[in-house]
Amino acid sequence: GQNIDQPTEMTATEGAIVQINCTYQTSGFNGLFWYQQHAGEAPTFLSYNVLDGLEEKGRFSSFLSRSKGYSYLLLKELQMKDSASYLCAVLDSNYQLIWGAGTKLIIKP
Amino acid sequence: IAGITQAPTSQILAAGRRMTLRCTQDMRHNAMYWYRQDLGLGLRLIHYSNTAGTTGKGEVPDGYSVSRANTDDFPLTLASAVPSQTSVYFCASRASETGDFSPLHFGNGTRLTVT
Repeated sequence: GQNIDQPTEMTATEGAIVQINCTYQTSGFNGLFWYQQHAGEAPTFLSYNVLDGLEEKGRFSSFLSRSKGYSYLLLKELQMKDSASYLCAVLDSNYQLIWGAGTKLIIKP
Repeated sequence: IAGITQAPTSQILAAGRRMTLRCTQDMRHNAMYWYRQDLGLGLRLIHYSNTAGTTGKGEVPDGYSVSRANTDDFPLTLASAVPSQTSVYFCASRASETGDFSPLHFGNGTRLTVT
């Protein structure tokens, strides 16, 4: 079967750095997405990785290792507004998105 | 403002009733999707449409139907609602169903409670 694993919840301190991991086992691979979802709102796109390596976009970076079936989202200089759920999703061989259950990130002052 | 509009925002529905959730996009995206999101579970695909006139079943299609008469509209119908269909429903679209990097854009969701 297809499976995406992420930690259920993480806590970090304002101003710090946090890394949210995602491991996947899917039928094929056509890219990995990270989305941010604030409570009661729709998911919004953060990043896309299809090749191995690190993609940096401001305070957020996303890393991919296809051979290990592994990705992480790195958030730097955490702000209170970063409190949200972070969803990992893989585009499989049929170009369907397989979603993880999401990681709830709690930022403390 | 370009995007996806879902209606209603929320609804309480008696079991056995029929309900259509509306979804309209103005981005001329080819592919559209309906997901449900339940606590502790990832987004689960109900139905999808790669282009106007075609639809397909997702991971959890039972009890739901869709139609795609044109590019912009993708309504989701619950023929006879059951309490297990209590969920938050998101409509989403992508410019292309395959190939190039093309992120999903989501509507604001419909919170449905079946009693």
